[in-house]
Amino acid sequence: AQTVTQSQPEMSVQEAETVTLSCTYDTSESDYYLFWYKQPPSRQMILVIRQEAYKQQNATENRFSVNFQKAAKSFSLKISDSQLGDAAMYFCAYLYTDKLIFGTGTRLQVFP
Amino acid sequence: DTGVSQDPRHKITKRGQNVTFRCDPISEHNRLYWYRQTLGQGPEFLTYFQNEAQLEKSRLLSDRFSAERPKGSFSTLEIQRTEQGDSAMYLCASSSRGPRETQYFGPGTRLLVL
Repeated sequence: AQTVTQSQPEMSVQEAETVTLSCTYDTSESDYYLFWYKQPPSRQMILVIRQEAYKQQNATENRFSVNFQKAAKSFSLKISDSQLGDAAMYFCAYLYTDKLIFGTGTRLQVFP
Repeated sequence: DTGVSQDPRHKITKRGQNVTFRCDPISEHNRLYWYRQTLGQGPEFLTYFQNEAQLEKSRLLSDRFSAERPKGSFSTLEIQRTEQGDSAMYLCASSSRGPRETQYFGPGTRLLVL
């Protein structure tokens, strides 16, 4: 069965610094899609970044980038130059037969 | 470009009552998904539609739950005879045609069953 594990319930970072959120997953598929979503307090979930497993190049969106290690089944999110607005729950998700399987999330706090 | 909308945003009900939630997807999206999120957890898949056809239902979706998308546009999720364990955030998402398109989420409906 496909599972997604986020082993860091909480992380904190100082403004302007860099933080990395971890995610591992389990699958027997070779072609799949992975996502990071951000859920600010009392606000809706928004897409941060998406990675196709067949692409060897790590996805990047402005200050957000991933380290995708397919053999290790690892998909970490790096946030550079952290901003106060980055404070949120971050969910790693695996797309399996059209439905998303989410991890339990990592709460990111950003300190000024 | 309007996003996914959900109504109501909050619902408080008494145990045993029926409730219905509505989701309006992004206009050109033909796929619509329902997820449930309990406190401290990631969302869990409930069901999804391609146009008006309901293609998959999770085992989480008991007989008290029913979802419809009659004209392939908006969708409703009804919970009959609510129980306290139904208290959760109900999230709707939509995606464009194609099985591996990104899903975009609405703000959710937070249900509290007393």
